[in-house]
Amino acid sequence: EAQVTQNPRYLITVTGKKLTVTCSQNMNHEYMSWYRQDPGLGLRQIYYSMNVEVTDKGDVPEGYKVSRKEKRNFPLILESPSPNQTSLYFCASSFLAGSGELFFGEGSRLTVL
Amino acid sequence: KQEVTQIPAALSVPEGENLVLNCSFTDSAIYNLQWFRQDPGKGLTSLLLIQSSQREQTSGRLNASLDKSSGRSTLYIAASQPGDSATYLCAVCYSGGYQKVTFGTGTKLQVIP
Repeated sequence: EAQVTQNPRYLITVTGKKLTVTCSQNMNHEYMSWYRQDPGLGLRQIYYSMNVEVTDKGDVPEGYKVSRKEKRNFPLILESPSPNQTSLYFCASSFLAGSGELFFGEGSRLTVL
Repeated sequence: KQEVTQIPAALSVPEGENLVLNCSFTDSAIYNLQWFRQDPGKGLTSLLLIQSSQREQTSGRLNASLDKSSGRSTLYIAASQPGDSATYLCAVCYSGGYQKVTFGTGTKLQVIP
């Protein structure tokens, strides 16, 4: 089944404890991206990747890192999480960045205490 | 900076009614526009994707139109059903040298039986 898989789906952590949210797609998509969703602010793009080893900042990249060493994986790294990073995070992918349909994962709900 | 607006923020209609959701964007340099639905606590499900060269797309009871020059898209839902109750989001993929995706804040639809 074609899908985008995120892990963990739910996580409660404490300020400053490094964490990684994994994202994997099995559709051989070139484009992958991360979003956060907050009440009243909607979905905002954090980082995106056009292909392996190519990443760019979205609208809200501060406090996050990403890497794209393999085509199928695009992990989101929070080196030192803070409470303002408490949010619902989504990973998405598409075959081609400009013309492709975006497919989303189920989301990862992160709480930073 | 691309801004995407969805009006109204919430809508309540009786079952069977035809309805229109609106999405407007400020920069017409786009690759495509995509409509999604999101159920509470869930991920995003793609409904329709309109390429910048297209005027409309149809899927079942859904029809989406795109007027790039005026920066507008509409999602038409025919013969609404209670199962259509969800939040509807539009997303614009910007083509100005980098491929960022900007989401509207959504329209929360309730269809009353």
